[in-house]
Order: sequence, then C-alpha cells, then structure tokens
Amino acid sequence: QKEVEQNSGPLSVPEGAIASLNCTYSDRVSQSFFWYRQYSGKSPELIMSIYSNGDKEDGRFTAQLNKASQYVSLLIRDSQPSDSATYLCAADTGANSKLTFGKGITLSVRP
Amino acid sequence: EAEVAQSPRYKITEKSQAVAFWCDPISGHATLYWYRQILGQGPELLVQFQDESVVDDSQLPKDRFSAERLKGVDSTLKIQPAELGDSAMYLCASSGADSYEQYFGPGTRLTVT
Repeated sequence: QKEVEQNSGPLSVPEGAIASLNCTYSDRVSQSFFWYRQYSGKSPELIMSIYSNGDKEDGRFTAQLNKASQYVSLLIRDSQPSDSATYLCAADTGANSKLTFGKGITLSVRP
Repeated sequence: EAEVAQSPRYKITEKSQAVAFWCDPISGHATLYWYRQILGQGPELLVQFQDESVVDDSQLPKDRFSAERLKGVDSTLKIQPAELGDSAMYLCASSGADSYEQYFGPGTRLTVT
C-alpha cells in the first residue's frame, strides 16, 4: 500500500525561528510532491510543489526532496504566528493524477 | 482568482436521511476529485473524474454513496442513507490537464446526528 508518513508532531517553535517539517513516502514510483497548509476548520491550500531532487525556495518556504532516501521536507524561515496550521504532505501515486496524503503535522508558532 | 466552489458549507442531517453536495471546479480543469477528511487525518480520495468519466472510485462506499459529473463540469456527491460515521469534511478538488497540482474548494462540513 502506498503511504505517506508524517510522524513527527505536533511541533512548536518560537516566532522568528525555523520550522522543519518532515515527510517520508513508500512508493519509489512517486515523482511529484506537494505541501498543503490547512488552517483549523478550513480546506487545504497548496503552498509548495517539488519534482526534482534538491531545494526549491519560495519566499520564506523551502521544500527539499531526496528521492534516494524517499523523504520530503518543508522549512519555514522566520516563522510567524500566522504560520500556525496543519501541514499536509502529498505524493503522486504514478497514475491518473492521484495523490496520497499524509495525516499532517500541526505547527504552532509561539509569539 | 479562479477557485473551486462548493455548497453547502455546512450540513446537519439526521441518520438515515439523504444528503447531497455540489462542486464546481476551476474553469477548464478536466479532473475533479471528491475527498473525505476526518479530523486529525489527511484527505482520503472517494472518487476521481476525468471529464465525465469515473477514473477511480475504489474507495467509494457504493452501497450508500454515489457521484456524478454528467456534463464534465460540475459534480454532485450523494449519501443515502447517511450514517453517524459519515460525519466529516467533504472536500472537492480539481486539477488541470496532465497536472498533479490539486486545488481544493472550501469543503462541506457534514454532521450526522
């Protein structure tokens, strides 16, 4: 069964710190990876996508992908209280544009 | 900005009643997904459409759930009869051609009493 694991959490960091969120996936066929942010009671919002090994930066967010080790991470620099949310990792299943989602990591940024 | 529309936003229904959710994807998006999300879990795919055709409904409880996308645009998900365990957030998402990037609507929070 294809799985996306997000086992660390909940995570609490002080304002201004770097938050590091990790995710592993089981299916080596997966080529596309996504991070979604979900505020309490709201729907997921796509914030990052990454397809190649290495780092991808967008503002305060950096996604990192290591296909050999089958892990994806999201770094949030200069964390703000508004970053407090659940972050979902998703990976493609290699067929039909289908994604498998992890259960999410809840991040709390302390003022 | 293009968005996925869903209605209703909230629904409270009694056990054994019928309930329906509606979704209108981002204009031009051929692929439409219905997910169910239980609190503390990630979204789980119920059904995926490519235009008007079902691509994947392997996790749809077909004894009580049905979904359609008759003209390949908007879609309806129905539950009949609703059970207590169906209480969850029902999310609709869409993606463009040959893209894995899925964009979610606001969701429908269903409470079955």
